[in-house]
Amino acid sequence: DAGVIQSPRHEVTEMGQEVTLRCKPISGHNSLFWYRQTMMRGLELLIYFNNNVPIDDSGMPEDRFSAKMPNASFSTLKIQPSEPRDSAVYFCASSWGIATDTQYFGPGTRLTVL
Amino acid sequence: AQRVTQPEKLLSVFKGAPVELKCNYSYSGSPELFWYVQYSRQRLQLLLRHISRESIKGFTADLNKGETSFHLKKPFAQEEDSAMYYCALSPNSGNTPLVFGKGTRLSVIA
Repeated sequence: DAGVIQSPRHEVTEMGQEVTLRCKPISGHNSLFWYRQTMMRGLELLIYFNNNVPIDDSGMPEDRFSAKMPNASFSTLKIQPSEPRDSAVYFCASSWGIATDTQYFGPGTRLTVL
Repeated sequence: AQRVTQPEKLLSVFKGAPVELKCNYSYSGSPELFWYVQYSRQRLQLLLRHISRESIKGFTADLNKGETSFHLKKPFAQEEDSAMYYCALSPNSGNTPLVFGKGTRLSVIA
């Protein structure tokens, strides 16, 4: 298994543009998590899904952020419009169950908004 | 509400020196505590869990319920220990995910 797959690995865009980050969880996992990592705030949980249903999106910073999970093997995190302060590394993680000790993380997408 | 505090953003130690990465938590129940690690160019991954009482790569961590701490320790630091370390708490309830601290970057100087 290739583990959690994220694309793109790097994204550079200009302020105001729409950005879509993609994630493929590990097959068989039923929970998926989106995180943002910055030097200032560390690792922040943005939103998580269970059985493709969003459970808690209270970590999403603004309405500019949205996430979907149309099926068990795919999720997207969209930022529209993007701003320079959105620059960060975005991680996707998956697991079997929400309250589990082991989340499997993807390699992350490094987003730079100019 | 549950909270995990890692007071140091950056910790630098010399090779061969002891290492202690601090982690304090706030939770009224009986949580499970974990340490995750992210080496350069690698994925964030589970390092150890307190219930296992195991030593991984020479690291150990003891849960101190009185002090609500779960510090990560290693007697002799190695250069390959340089990484980002996150302490995490599981509230042990069905619908609540891991709560992570903000992380500590460990730099081991040769």
